[in-house]
Amino acid sequence: RKEVEQDPGPFNVPEGATVAFNCTYSNSASQSFFWYRQDCRKEPKLLMSVYSSGNEDGRFTAQLNRASQYISLLIRDSKLSDSATYLCVVNNRDSNYQLIWGAGTKLIIKP
Amino acid sequence: DTAVSQTPKYLVTQMGNDKSIKCEQNLGHDTMYWYKQDSKKFLKIMFSYNNKELIINETVPNRFSPKSPDKAHLNLHINSLELGDSAVYFCASSQGVDSPLHFGNGTRLTVT
Repeated sequence: RKEVEQDPGPFNVPEGATVAFNCTYSNSASQSFFWYRQDCRKEPKLLMSVYSSGNEDGRFTAQLNRASQYISLLIRDSKLSDSATYLCVVNNRDSNYQLIWGAGTKLIIKP
Repeated sequence: DTAVSQTPKYLVTQMGNDKSIKCEQNLGHDTMYWYKQDSKKFLKIMFSYNNKELIINETVPNRFSPKSPDKAHLNLHINSLELGDSAVYFCASSQGVDSPLHFGNGTRLTVT
């Protein structure tokens, strides 16, 4: 099992719809979780950290489920500009807190 | 103000050559990284430095040698370039090893 797994997609979603994707992690001792977005031919940029209680930033909601070892990202009222690859990142306490990256989920918002 | 800057943005070179990529961050972060993203888009860590000390060194050929003259700079030197080295190399920095990363805009290396 990979340390961090994501559905690669692509998710083709009409503009205005709500879309959600998950990321599973294998190390139960992981403590820090992040969502990044990466546009084509650009660098990854931090979208949001994921807190135990869940957190929201505008149209974006991130949640953590420790029991099932996954984090989720929900995007409401999707915009064309949300088209990107979303990368899940988890820290690995057993490896000097090194951040482990998922391969990303590609999202395409269609007009 | 660019937080993490790396140069050059594009690098096209022939097999066997030696090249360097430079990275500087003005965020006052203690930790810097080099990542490689290949054609399949997997982002893999290569090296990590904390206050100029190497703390992560993944399975990377000896041809790759990072150098950190101070905690704001982390350069990457590559000897005897091979076709398989073609990728995008990202520099990044963070406040600590468990903090979010801030990336440079990448160096697209093409080895011919």
